[in-house]
Amino acid sequence: AQSVTQPDIHITVSEGASLELRCNYSYGATPYLFWYVQSPGQGLQLLLKYFSGDTLVQGIKGFEAEFKRSQSSFNLRKPSVHWSDAAEYFCGLSGGYNKLIFGAGTRLAVHP
Amino acid sequence: NAGVTQTPKFRVLKTGQSMTLLCAQDMNHEYMYWYRQDPGMGLRLIHYSVGEGTTAKGEVPDGYNVSRLKKQNFLLGLESAAPSQTSVYFCASSYEGHGYTFGSGTRLTVV
Repeated sequence: AQSVTQPDIHITVSEGASLELRCNYSYGATPYLFWYVQSPGQGLQLLLKYFSGDTLVQGIKGFEAEFKRSQSSFNLRKPSVHWSDAAEYFCGLSGGYNKLIFGAGTRLAVHP
Repeated sequence: NAGVTQTPKFRVLKTGQSMTLLCAQDMNHEYMYWYRQDPGMGLRLIHYSVGEGTTAKGEVPDGYNVSRLKKQNFLLGLESAAPSQTSVYFCASSYEGHGYTFGSGTRLTVV
């Protein structure tokens, strides 16, 4: 069975501070991994994805994520957070039959 | 190029009523999905389809039915709506798991 866990429900950071959102997965093979962002009342926007190759993936808006097979993790990072980054972030895994499943999400608040 | 279009965008139902949500994609994607989004629970997969004429259950299929009579359309039906089905519903399509495109969502309230 495949599953995704985002351990942090809420995270608050100060503008300009660094950010790391955690994502752990369970899957029997190498999965496709995704990070999406959702602003209030909006749909989902793809930040980045990992399929294979380089384990450090660059995305849009200055985000990056690192795939660590030994830790079954795909954490999202940003060196300096902007107030506009306040949103909810979802980690996703695509495995068998191309089913994309998500973690419960991490809500990010940014203090000025 | 519309991508994934969901109709309607908003709907209020009374308990016991039925309705169908329509998802249409114009990208010739084989795979289509229906999710529901509830606070604190992320997006949970209701049903999905790996091709025209096929459907399969996801994580939370109870109370819903789906049909994929045409490749471009994926319908989600509620036969007898319950307040627990109040949610935001998202449709998505993909090609071989590489690129997922999401619709803008349908906000459903069951009173």
